[in-house]
Amino acid sequence: DGGITQSPKYLFRKEGQNVTLSCEQNLNHDAMYWYRQDPGQGLRLIYYSQIVNDFQKGDIAEGYSVSREKKESFPLTVTSAQKNPTAFYLCASSPNRRGNTGELFFGEGSRLTVL
Amino acid sequence: AQKVTQAQTEISVVEKEDVTLDCVYETRDTTYYLFWYKQPPSGELVFLIRRNSFDEQNEISGRYSWNFQKSTSSFNFTITASQVMDSAVYFCALSEVTGGGNKLTFGTGTQLKVEL
Repeated sequence: DGGITQSPKYLFRKEGQNVTLSCEQNLNHDAMYWYRQDPGQGLRLIYYSQIVNDFQKGDIAEGYSVSREKKESFPLTVTSAQKNPTAFYLCASSPNRRGNTGELFFGEGSRLTVL
Repeated sequence: AQKVTQAQTEISVVEKEDVTLDCVYETRDTTYYLFWYKQPPSGELVFLIRRNSFDEQNEISGRYSWNFQKSTSSFNFTITASQVMDSAVYFCALSEVTGGGNKLTFGTGTQLKVEL
C-alpha cells in the first residue's frame, strides 16, 4: 500500500545525544515536510523540501537538520543543540505541481523522549 | 503572516449531540486552501476536507458539514449526531501554496470527547 512510513515509533535518548528519525514515502511525491507537535501548541513546521537535494527552514528549525538525497526519503536529525526535544514528530508529503491539491499526507509519527 | 485560531481547547459532549468546532484564520493571500484534519489516539493525521478560497459553498458529507465564510474568515466544522468514535483532536489548517509544495499553518487543535 502507498503511504508514509516513519520509524521508530518511540525513541528514548539521553541528553547530549543526536538522534535521527526516518521518513520514507512511496507516493512519488516531490515535497516532504517535518512537523513537531507539542501539547496545546498544534503542529509547527521544522523543515520542508520541495525537491531532491534542496530544503528550507520552517518556523522552528534551530537544533534540527535534514537531508534529501532521495525523493523517497527525508530523515530528520534532532541534535544536542535542540533545547527541548521531547515531542511528537510528524512527517508529511504532498504531490508535485501537476497533482497538487493542497493537502498533506501524514505518517503515523515518532514520539521522542529525552531522559 | 498566516495564522489559524481554534479557540476551543476541549469540548465534551454526550453521544448523539451535535457539536461545532470553530476555526478562524488570517492571511494576506487571495488564493489559499483551508483544511480540517482529524488526529485519533494513534497519532496519524487524517484528512477530512479541503476548501479553496474561491469556493464558499458549504459542504455536507454524511454526519460532517463545513461552513466557510470569507466575510468573517471562518471555516467551522459541525458533527451531527456525534459518536464515541468521533473522539479525537481536530485541527484546522491554512495552506500557502508555493511552487510544488504546500506549507500548512495549523491551529492548536480542539480535543473532542464524546461520551456515552
